Amino acid sequence: GENVEQHPSTLSVQEGDSAVIKCTYSDSASNYFPWYKQELGKGPQLIIDIRSNVGEKKDQRIAVTLNKTAKHFSLHITETQPEDSAVYFCAATLPAGNEKLTFGTGTRLTIIP
Amino acid sequence: SAVISQKPSRDICQRGTSLTIQCQVDSQVTMMFWYRQQPGQSLTLIATANQGSEATYESGFVIDKFPISRPNLTFSTLTVSNMSPEDSSIYLCSVDPSGVTDTQYFGPGTRLTVL
Repeated sequence: GENVEQHPSTLSVQEGDSAVIKCTYSDSASNYFPWYKQELGKGPQLIIDIRSNVGEKKDQRIAVTLNKTAKHFSLHITETQPEDSAVYFCAATLPAGNEKLTFGTGTRLTIIP
Repeated sequence: SAVISQKPSRDICQRGTSLTIQCQVDSQVTMMFWYRQQPGQSLTLIATANQGSEATYESGFVIDKFPISRPNLTFSTLTVSNMSPEDSSIYLCSVDPSGVTDTQYFGPGTRLTVL
């Protein structure tokens, strides 16, 4: 089955700086890669996603890049703000029709004011 | 997207008892899922809740321990049976409103502590 690795496990950045979180996946057939943000005491919130036919996607301060050859994808947050502090999870899924998401281990992002 | 609610939001239970968690969606959805998130850990899929048929369980999860019901396209329940402290986790339901895009939205979760 699919295996997703996520790095780093913790990340602290100064407010206004950029943050980058990286994930690698094992199955080259995976074709959908969402990113979720989980704040304390809440369920995961979908913030951005990318499909295997696209190399990059951007939504305001958030962007995701995908390198299918290397089997890795990254989340980029620019101009970080205190409200960006949360745990971020990447995930991947195979095109098998069962929508099984395999999640990374999570990155705790702390924005230092 | 979809608006998802879960009940209860949290509970503290005694070992050996069972708890049923409800998941309600504001629109009809084909795909509903149940996940477990152990303390400080990532999310693991328990099962896919199928409307009108038995749930599809992932490896390591069995129906006797986690019975699931899906009586209609907006509602599902997960029961955690014969609980032990190792069952202390956040239990989350998710839905794919479209049924074809793989895009899943999560509920707020149920925080379960077993003493």
